[in-house]
Amino acid sequence: GGIITQTPKFLIGQEGQKLTLKCQQNFNHDTMYWYRQDSGKGLRLIYYSITENDLQKGDLSEGYDASREKKSSFSLTVTSAQKNEMAVFLCASSIEGNTLYFGEGSRLIVV
Amino acid sequence: GDSVTQTEGPVTLSEGTSLTVNCSYETKQYPTLFWYVQYPGEGPQLLFKVPKANEKGSNRGFEATYNKEATSFHLQKASVQESDSAVYYCALSHNNAGAKLTFGGGTRLTVRP
Repeated sequence: GGIITQTPKFLIGQEGQKLTLKCQQNFNHDTMYWYRQDSGKGLRLIYYSITENDLQKGDLSEGYDASREKKSSFSLTVTSAQKNEMAVFLCASSIEGNTLYFGEGSRLIVV
Repeated sequence: GDSVTQTEGPVTLSEGTSLTVNCSYETKQYPTLFWYVQYPGEGPQLLFKVPKANEKGSNRGFEATYNKEATSFHLQKASVQESDSAVYYCALSHNNAGAKLTFGGGTRLTVRP
């Protein structure tokens, strides 16, 4: 079996700061995703990538950048952190957009 | 666009009682339907999926039937246990390369002993 590793588990930053979350997978999956999880709002898609160097915007991409420089890794950058962005960010991977395998999540805290 | 609506939580039940979490979806195509479960401190994990209309999926005593006419995929369990306490997400995806999952808002279930 494989694993999705997200780093860091907790990311603390100041308002206005640029902050980056990283995700690694060893499933050898083609597609990777970043979702944002807010209580009561479920999981909302920020960015996804169907192959190396590909980027597709999700429903919540404004205020975020992403990068897929190699097949096994996918990073997400909050371009200017705001206090209302405190949430859990979940990375996932899949084959052909079907079953998603998730990491444990990274919690963003903005002070 | 696609959308998924499910029972708003939180839902609190006593052990041994039955569970139904409603899920309805809207889409123009024929999707695959999923139920994911998320335990505290973990990422969501697949409970089961159903790719075809009128078929049933099941796992760990949970089941749901893909009802294309009613556009529903309700989750049921006859007798819940304390270990079922988690957040449950209904989701849909289309069957093409690079397709993404659209999730419902999640339903938090707490089962009391």
